[in-house]
Amino acid sequence: SYVLTQPPSVSVAPRLTATITCEGDNIRSKSVHWYQQKPGQAPMLVVYDDIERPSGIPERFSGSNSGNTATLTISRVEAGDEADYYCQVWDSSSDHRVFGGGTKLTVL
Amino acid sequence: QQQLQESGPGLVKPSETLSLTCIVSGGPISITSYQWGWIRQPPGKGLEWIGSVFYTGSTYYNPSLESRVTISIDTSKNQFSLKLRSVTAADTAVYYCARDVQEEWLRGYYFDSWGQGTLVTVSS
Repeated sequence: SYVLTQPPSVSVAPRLTATITCEGDNIRSKSVHWYQQKPGQAPMLVVYDDIERPSGIPERFSGSNSGNTATLTISRVEAGDEADYYCQVWDSSSDHRVFGGGTKLTVL
Repeated sequence: QQQLQESGPGLVKPSETLSLTCIVSGGPISITSYQWGWIRQPPGKGLEWIGSVFYTGSTYYNPSLESRVTISIDTSKNQFSLKLRSVTAADTAVYYCARDVQEEWLRGYYFDSWGQGTLVTVSS
């Protein structure tokens, strides 16, 4: 089965840029989606189809996908961005949805 | 925007069956570009996809749970359901239902609307 690997934690100072990676075999051939989950809340989609933002998501959130690594970039980080972030893909060979293990973003 | 709401018992005994329902409001559940999914999250852990169902009744399951899971859909009631058999303490989790969106050209699927989640504890 397809495996997605994320770093357990990332720390960043306010107003700087946070980068969260998601590694998978030839992930560039897949469409990658990202979710933000704050404590006690349901996950919320922040990026889909590698680079697209749902309505209402700030432009500070952006995505990219190349080679074996997809990346979620959060520019000008704010305290309110502190959350867990999950990547997700669809494994076409098995028709299954797969989540990464999640990354806890801490704003220093 | 469609809204989803989970309902069901918060406590299930070991070896019994966990049953949850997700009621969808704000639009019909029988839309060809959507499937409807269940995702769970054990306390302090990450997200795990359980399975998804199409309005026709076609289902897709996580292979790690497939032997114990049944997901069904009732378009007349605009809801879909999850049954997980022979539960153990390892099945204790927050269970979410979500709208599973099919991308253009079948590039993939993503979850764009989620229920608030419901905690199910497996304990005698």
